[in-house]
Amino acid sequence: GAGVSQSPSNKVTEKGKDVELRCDPISGHTALYWYRQSLGQGLEFLIYFQGNSAPDKSGLPSDRFSAERTGGSVSTLTIQRTQQEDSAVYLCASSLDNRGREQYFGPGTRLTVT
Amino acid sequence: AQKVTQAQTEISVVEKEDVTLDCVYETRDTTYYLFWYKQPPSGELVFLIRRNSFDEQNEISGRYSWNFQKSTSSFNFTITASQVVDSAVYFCALNSNSGYALNFGKGTSLLVTP
Repeated sequence: GAGVSQSPSNKVTEKGKDVELRCDPISGHTALYWYRQSLGQGLEFLIYFQGNSAPDKSGLPSDRFSAERTGGSVSTLTIQRTQQEDSAVYLCASSLDNRGREQYFGPGTRLTVT
Repeated sequence: AQKVTQAQTEISVVEKEDVTLDCVYETRDTTYYLFWYKQPPSGELVFLIRRNSFDEQNEISGRYSWNFQKSTSSFNFTITASQVVDSAVYFCALNSNSGYALNFGKGTSLLVTP
């Protein structure tokens, strides 16, 4: 079956612009996660969605970051007024549920802020 | 607090050698889950294995084997008769009932040369 897909694969933007990153999870997976991978910080958790429950936003680094998940499926991560330190690979993952299940990752979006 | 330590930053071996990647974890939860992921040069994180805290049985899958020891809080990964295709960054991760995100170690970069 189809895995997790993300778009775009690469995004170059100027400092101060807003960007939207999209994630399409595996069909039937109720849990969706966003992570960020950068050289200095490793893999960091950003936000988590489970079904129709309120998301866990505890990992978002600032209020410039937000995410939504429509219809319990596709998710969009938005970064407003991008900064150079936002440059990283943004990874989306999904799992069957939130009970310690393995998470399946998408290919990521490489964001470069110039 | 939860923490995963992968003390080996980089390992280089010659093809057909056996190699063990170390993972030490910290958690106060009694129910938790441990994972290993592989990130090849292409960049996509690939799920390898999941173990729960109540199952200390070692597992073997082809050339891969995992040794879970609660007494030493370790979950080590051994590749037998390594191959060039095993070259990748390997991440150990922890998840428990007190959170939904995967807590990743910093990763071990494995280079297998012919």
